[in-house]
Amino acid sequence: QVQLQQWGAGLLKPSETLSLTCAVYGGSFSDYYWTWIRQPPGMGLEWVGEINHSGGTNYNPSLKSRVTISIDTSKNQFSLHLSSVTAADTAVYYCARADYARGGYMDVWGKGTTVTVSS
Amino acid sequence: DIQMTQSPSSLSASVGDRVTITCRASQTISSYLNWYQQKPGRAPKLLIYAASTLQSGVPSRFSGSESGTDFTLTISSLQPEDFATYYCQQSYSTPLTFGGGTKMEI
Repeated sequence: QVQLQQWGAGLLKPSETLSLTCAVYGGSFSDYYWTWIRQPPGMGLEWVGEINHSGGTNYNPSLKSRVTISIDTSKNQFSLHLSSVTAADTAVYYCARADYARGGYMDVWGKGTTVTVSS
Repeated sequence: DIQMTQSPSSLSASVGDRVTITCRASQTISSYLNWYQQKPGRAPKLLIYAASTLQSGVPSRFSGSESGTDFTLTISSLQPEDFATYYCQQSYSTPLTFGGGTKMEI
């Protein structure tokens, strides 16, 4: 059974860089896209971006200038870096597996990391 | 970006009711439409993918359908554990986008 375990700093000051990592346990690492989704408090879901095992990335244009997603295939891990954070980046951040071979749905999710940006 | 318009934003229902949630895409997305259920403090859970395919392990009271750019999630007989927030999501093109959510309450 595939599991995603995520971690990273939960409290940041404005202008700092958010860094989160997600480890994949079980299943294939190469057959999927690995994604980040965020959810501000009391609000809906926003797709941040994704990466495949070859390092190919897609980012949300609304964040593209500040976001970098990287991958470490030797550790079955992928990471999110979001620079110059503001209070608007306060959210629960989820990592998830996207299966584009069967339609692009996200079928395995991490538990989420709450990130708060505050001075 | 493809906009996903979900309605209603909230819904009051009772155990045993049949309920329907609708999602409309701003352009054609073929059948690249997925539905998720989210309970407070939890990650979303995939219910239906490709508009009408039930994810493994999801009860058969959940079903999905499509008509052009309109998509529907139906719960045939609400159970207590179904009270949650539901989201649609298009996977036709990036950026992937979600509907605004439907909060189902007792």
